[in-house]
Amino acid sequence: NAGVTQTPKFQVLKTGQSMTLQCAQDMNHEYMSWYRQDPGMGLRLIHYSVGAGITDQGEVPNGYNVSRSTTEDFPLRLLSAAPSQTSVYFCASRLGQGPYNEQFFGPGTRLTVL
Amino acid sequence: QQQVKQSPQSLIVQKGGISIINCAYENTAFDYFPWYQQFPGKGPALLIAIRPDVSEKKEGRFTISFNKSAKQFSLHIMDSQPGDSATYFCAASSSGTYKYIFGTGTRLKVLA
Repeated sequence: NAGVTQTPKFQVLKTGQSMTLQCAQDMNHEYMSWYRQDPGMGLRLIHYSVGAGITDQGEVPNGYNVSRSTTEDFPLRLLSAAPSQTSVYFCASRLGQGPYNEQFFGPGTRLTVL
Repeated sequence: QQQVKQSPQSLIVQKGGISIINCAYENTAFDYFPWYQQFPGKGPALLIAIRPDVSEKKEGRFTISFNKSAKQFSLHIMDSQPGDSATYFCAASSSGTYKYIFGTGTRLKVLA
């Protein structure tokens, strides 16, 4: 099992550009989520999905879109990048919706917006 | 009420010493409290977790102590090793939601 994979590992964007961060898992997990990690702020939930075709907003959803067409993939789209979106982004997955299932994180994407 | 407050922000411990990281919460609906360990350039990984029906959980050198009345929980790392140097995050969740609320993290450095 590859677990949770993310691409790219690093990305530099200019303000106003759009891009998609890719996330995939091969563990047949129903629940997937995106977090951003900023210094001194821990991890904050952007969007999550409880299964294919179902997504919902987390704490900090503005400026981001998600979709979940398959169980395996959960891409995060930045519509018009802003410097405030400079961060490290982590995708995570777990077997079911309940919090007691172990949550697995990907290796992260470090995004810089100039 | 959704916050999880974590302290200290950073911690330096001598090899063989005890590392202690504390977290406090306000939402009494939280019923699951995991700790994550993160090495530089990597994603967080689950270290140990506890539910509020017990006051302590131990796995090897790592122990969670839980005080339900004070709404506090802490991570103790016994016999700390240089390989334990990492950032540690506490988190909280409830069975009624799908979301984790994370603390702000503690950067631990264990001196050889």
